[in-house]
Amino acid sequence: DAGITQSPRHKVTETGTPVTLRCHQTENHRYMYWYRQDPGHGLRLIHYSYGVKDTDKGEVSDGYSVSRSKTEDFLLTLESATSSQTSVYFCAISRGDQPQHFGDGTRLSIL
Amino acid sequence: AQTVTQSQPEMSVQEAETVTLSCTYDTSESDYYLFWYKQPPSRQMILVIRQEAYKQQNATENRFSVNFQKAAKSFSLKISDSQLGDAAMYFCAYNNTDKLIFGTGTRLQVFP
Repeated sequence: DAGITQSPRHKVTETGTPVTLRCHQTENHRYMYWYRQDPGHGLRLIHYSYGVKDTDKGEVSDGYSVSRSKTEDFLLTLESATSSQTSVYFCAISRGDQPQHFGDGTRLSIL
Repeated sequence: AQTVTQSQPEMSVQEAETVTLSCTYDTSESDYYLFWYKQPPSRQMILVIRQEAYKQQNATENRFSVNFQKAAKSFSLKISDSQLGDAAMYFCAYNNTDKLIFGTGTRLQVFP
């Protein structure tokens, strides 16, 4: 398996609180991605990074921010969590010319 | 904008039989990649097979093969000799700018 670790694996929190999810890679890949998975929607891209401090928005970026200060870490922050952000979040990495490899996902529940 | 459509929310197959999952996509690009990912109940996303659009030959990985019809923008996955472990969600995905666009998935059940 590609060296991708997502933390935490599960989290329950309350509406209005900030939440940060972490993705850590040991592959030194340039590209990192955050997706959310919801029933009936497949996976949808939230944000992605193409290098340290280089990030861009995806399809469903509202309410989320990201940061990448090191090649190996890509953080996803929900600034003020809402119930609509209850989802399973996946991180993925890629060299750019190869398929993306995914982490094991984080199940986030916002009450 | 590119889109990916999987029109079969659920499919079922008997063990040892063959099943085909459908996927269509829309793009104006000529150079791109297509993928099938498998997601078992463990939630992992596992790459099954990859097809480069410039290659006419259909990709094959053991019991998994694709039927890539570029003009029709169709990319179906055939699973031969189905096994119980093939039961999962299957996602078709499109990529031409380092971003994946996924279909909504097909849940495959395998019966003994």
